Amino acid sequence: QKEVEQDPGPLSVPEGAIVSLNCTYSNSAFQYFMWYRQYSRKGPELLMYTYSSGNKEDGRFTAQVDKSSKYISLFIRDSQPSDSATYLCAMGGGSQGNLIFGKGTKLSVKP
Amino acid sequence: DVKVTQSSRYLVKRTGEKVFLECVQDMDHENMFWYRQDPGLGLRLIYFSYDVKMKEKGDIPEGYSVSREKKERFSLILESASTNQTSMYLCASSYQSRSSYEQYFGPGTRLTVT
Repeated sequence: QKEVEQDPGPLSVPEGAIVSLNCTYSNSAFQYFMWYRQYSRKGPELLMYTYSSGNKEDGRFTAQVDKSSKYISLFIRDSQPSDSATYLCAMGGGSQGNLIFGKGTKLSVKP
Repeated sequence: DVKVTQSSRYLVKRTGEKVFLECVQDMDHENMFWYRQDPGLGLRLIYFSYDVKMKEKGDIPEGYSVSREKKERFSLILESASTNQTSMYLCASSYQSRSSYEQYFGPGTRLTVT
């Protein structure tokens, strides 16, 4: 079983839709959960960062962590065409001390 | 704002050439990382460094070396470039603390080896 699993998509939604992006993981030592957004031919940019369990909200974005299920989610409300990008989840806190990345979900928001 | 810069956005090299990729960060971060990103494989860690003159192997160090002579600069070296090293190379940096998982990335260098 891979440490971090993320559906690669692609996911296509109409403008204004609520988007749900998810990752599952197997290492119960993970405590830090990040979401990165990567536009085509650019480097990833840190979008959201959650420590341990719970929710975090930032504008139209909400990150959720369910440690009991080893499942994290990123919700995007009122999605915009400018949200079209690849979204990478990443986790840390295991023995290595580095981030483990999902492979990314490609999102397309159609006007 | 954290700024991580990489020396080139696009690079084309021939098989067997020695290739240097440079990364500079301006946030006084202790940690610096080199990744490569390939379709279907995601981000893979090549090397990282927790301090000047310090380096640690990541998941795929074969065919690469690194140098960190100054805190703000981390170089990736391909001793003899091969076609299977054609990829997007990403540099990242972070603090050496509880927030060390907050990694900030540069724009990437798309390297093509012919």
